Amino acid sequence: TQLLEQSPQFLSIQEGENLTVYCNSSSVFSSLQWYRQEPGEGPVLLVTVVTGGEVKKLKRLTFQFGDARKDSSLHITAAQPGDTGLYLCAGEVSGGYNKLIFGAGTRLAVHP
Amino acid sequence: KAGVTQTPRYLIKTRGQQVTLSCSPISGHRSVSWYQQTPGQGLQFLFEYFSETQRNKGNFPGRFSGRQFSNSRSEMNVSTLELGDSALYLCASSFTPGLADYEQYFGPGTRLTVT
Repeated sequence: TQLLEQSPQFLSIQEGENLTVYCNSSSVFSSLQWYRQEPGEGPVLLVTVVTGGEVKKLKRLTFQFGDARKDSSLHITAAQPGDTGLYLCAGEVSGGYNKLIFGAGTRLAVHP
Repeated sequence: KAGVTQTPRYLIKTRGQQVTLSCSPISGHRSVSWYQQTPGQGLQFLFEYFSETQRNKGNFPGRFSGRQFSNSRSEMNVSTLELGDSALYLCASSFTPGLADYEQYFGPGTRLTVT
């Protein structure tokens, strides 16, 4: 059974601080996707990483895929209250026909 | 392009009843996946359809079923509802085959409450 362990579960920080969310697995994934979800809504895709060692930047967000394609991290620089939400990592199962395995999520609260 | 749409957005049912949820994928997308989200279990994969064929299924009982139509729209059905079926049911679409077929786009979900 493929599992994705996401940490931390909760993060409460002040505006302007930096933070990193981690996603780890013992399994290799074809790709890894990061989503952000607001209460009562569906997850919104932030980024997809495919190649081992890949780094992608989205404004103040930096995503990294581990060399072995088993882990990933999301780093937010100078967090803002608008970054508040549930962040989810999801690994695509090889040969799984779009099956995603989700981490438990990191609930981020950024206070002004 | 319009996003993934799901209907209804909210639903309240009684134990023992059955329910059908609908999902319309992004235009051109041919793959539709369904997920169940609960506070305790998080997001769990239910099944995936492509060209009216179920290609993959998660670890859910047979009470959960689905289908896909020729226009790629999909429905999922839950029979003999149990209290534990209360959840947010999410549909995701992607374009397969081709570039970026691993990118899935989610709808807003259907909030099902079983009483």
